[in-house]
Amino acid sequence: ETGVTQSPTHLIKTRGQQVTLRCSSQSGHNTVSWYQQALGQGPQFIFQYYREEENGRGNFPPRFSGLQFPNYSSELNVNALELDDSALYLCASSLGDRWTEAFFGQGTRLTVV
Amino acid sequence: RKEVEQDPGPFNVPEGATVAFNCTYSNSASQSFFWYRQDCRKEPKLLMSVYSSGNEDGRFTAQLNRASQYISLLIRDSKLSDSATYLCVVNSYGGATNKLIFGTGTLLAVQP
Repeated sequence: ETGVTQSPTHLIKTRGQQVTLRCSSQSGHNTVSWYQQALGQGPQFIFQYYREEENGRGNFPPRFSGLQFPNYSSELNVNALELDDSALYLCASSLGDRWTEAFFGQGTRLTVV
Repeated sequence: RKEVEQDPGPFNVPEGATVAFNCTYSNSASQSFFWYRQDCRKEPKLLMSVYSSGNEDGRFTAQLNRASQYISLLIRDSKLSDSATYLCVVNSYGGATNKLIFGTGTLLAVQP
């Protein structure tokens, strides 16, 4: 078991609502990357946080935003939910770009109805 | 063109078979290469890193060809427990960001 946990594990929201997903990072890790995985697709990079600052962003609209806290845990916020936002949201915890020591949380499965 | 492309499958093979997955990547600046395994409705987990010299871990062999920007994974003596989606992953630099880019994944179903 890794030390990366995500909450909640499942969530159902209505179109137009807002949602906050949470990720605790592995002890000693200072970087959290968020990914969206639609059914049948590979994970798509949303953004990355390094030492509480956004450190890069993928091709996602501004209604996807995030935070990283001093303990390096992180939140992903999505406003004005759309049906296409239904997906598995994954966070990956790492020490910088030491990818062989990166771990994913179990994900949050978001369904927008 | 996607940064990482792989055949989505599915690959249906009998137990004991040898199966090979291929992947191409578009960013010649990529430095790190991986195969991840993802079980149904679970998170991806690192299977192995991929090096130009090739590397082997038991029944699994990974190979990287930088000139062709091509990555492969070979699974010998397939087990039922190998059934999963195999994701080809490369790192990608963009400004100050070093991130992982995933392929679509290749679904493997090992049949008894």
